[in-house]
Amino acid sequence: DGGITQSPKYLFRKEGQNVTLSCEQNLNHDAMYWYRQDPGQGLRLIYYSQIVNDFQKGDIAEGYSVSREKKESFPLTVTSAQKNPTAFYLCASSRGDARGETQYFGPGTRLLVL
Amino acid sequence: AQSVTQLGSHVSVSEGALVLLRCNYSSSVPPYLFWYVQYPNQGLQLLLKYTTGATLVKGINGFEAEFKKSETSFHLTKPSAHMSDAAEYFCAVSLSGGYNKLIFGAGTRLAVHP
Repeated sequence: DGGITQSPKYLFRKEGQNVTLSCEQNLNHDAMYWYRQDPGQGLRLIYYSQIVNDFQKGDIAEGYSVSREKKESFPLTVTSAQKNPTAFYLCASSRGDARGETQYFGPGTRLLVL
Repeated sequence: AQSVTQLGSHVSVSEGALVLLRCNYSSSVPPYLFWYVQYPNQGLQLLLKYTTGATLVKGINGFEAEFKKSETSFHLTKPSAHMSDAAEYFCAVSLSGGYNKLIFGAGTRLAVHP
């Protein structure tokens, strides 16, 4: 079955530590996205990638970094510069980056700070 | 600026009753509008979307929404609620130009009681 996988489901970060969230899709989609979800808020865009080897900052990119070396993979690193990383992180993909393309979401990773 | 407002962070209905979740948007261009559903600790699933054409859009699980330009609204309805409809619902608008960016509302949590 085609879809988006995210791992791990839960991730614990210690003070000053960088952690990486995995996102893989086998939908052959060109565009991929990372969102952050906080309680009582909608989703906010962290980074997006329209094509392999290219990515752009979203609305809340500070303290995060990404790479897009393969079409199917778009890992997100939460760096120590992100002072409030506790949130639910959602990865999404769409066939293209044209307005109106449906974004399909993975199951999410919940990041907690120890 | 484009934004989405969902009226009511929590809505409670009886099983079998009408479900009405409200969404208003602001957009400087004709909007593309989406409704997503999220079950606890899961990713988002598309219910329906409006891009162009018929203003009454039918989606999965018996949901539908009507785009009303004069009211800048895209309310989600279902004639008869099921217990399985209990979830959080997000309205989103797609920005014009550039790339496929979604702006999400804060979400409405739907509770269904017997």
